[in-house]
Amino acid sequence: DQQVKQNSPSLSVQEGRISILNCDYTNSMFDYFLWYKKYPAEGPTFLISISSIKDKNEDGRFTVFLNKSAKHLSLHIVPSQPGDSAVYFCAANNAGNNRKLIWGLGTSLAVNP
Amino acid sequence: DSGVTQTPKHLITATGQRVTLRCSPRSGDLSVYWYQQSLDQGLQFLIQYYNGEERAKGNILERFSAQQFPDLHSELNLSSLELGDSALYFCASSVAWTGGLGELFFGEGSRLTVL
Repeated sequence: DQQVKQNSPSLSVQEGRISILNCDYTNSMFDYFLWYKKYPAEGPTFLISISSIKDKNEDGRFTVFLNKSAKHLSLHIVPSQPGDSAVYFCAANNAGNNRKLIWGLGTSLAVNP
Repeated sequence: DSGVTQTPKHLITATGQRVTLRCSPRSGDLSVYWYQQSLDQGLQFLIQYYNGEERAKGNILERFSAQQFPDLHSELNLSSLELGDSALYFCASSVAWTGGLGELFFGEGSRLTVL
């Protein structure tokens, strides 16, 4: 049962354009969401997070939007750069389950020069 | 460099064998997490230790065990290995025991291949 779903396994965008990565979740007990980025042969690195009391969090070129009613969050990268090419994981923190992080399967982003 | 060190980086072994993966957390981090990433799978949480004590358990098989030592390094023991255990095993650390609220710092992973 995939509680955190990243339905697009891959995404390709042009340098300078916007990248939008989507994540859907099913568990209404999730109250904190995180995005991690992973390059090949490296471990994931934390990118940005958002609490369920907010609907937007911005950090430089990265913005995460949360739509609780739709149980949907998205990561926007503007403008996209070739160095952003990586796998992006969405993760959700389950307040009702000992605070385990539940991870999506990831979306592979390719930013083309 | 996340500050989390995992050894070995690569390991090839045969079915039925036992291996130990080692993790040194970031200096000052008390929590250690183990994750498994198989092909076509996301990151599966295995187990978390906080300051030497087991804190949370995920989808960890009975053939697997872990511990965190007084110096805070952790070991993940995988026994009676099966082909399906071939995966990338990540260790992560964090300062707090809640972990999920803050960022986790991941090591580069140990790639296990079971033949």
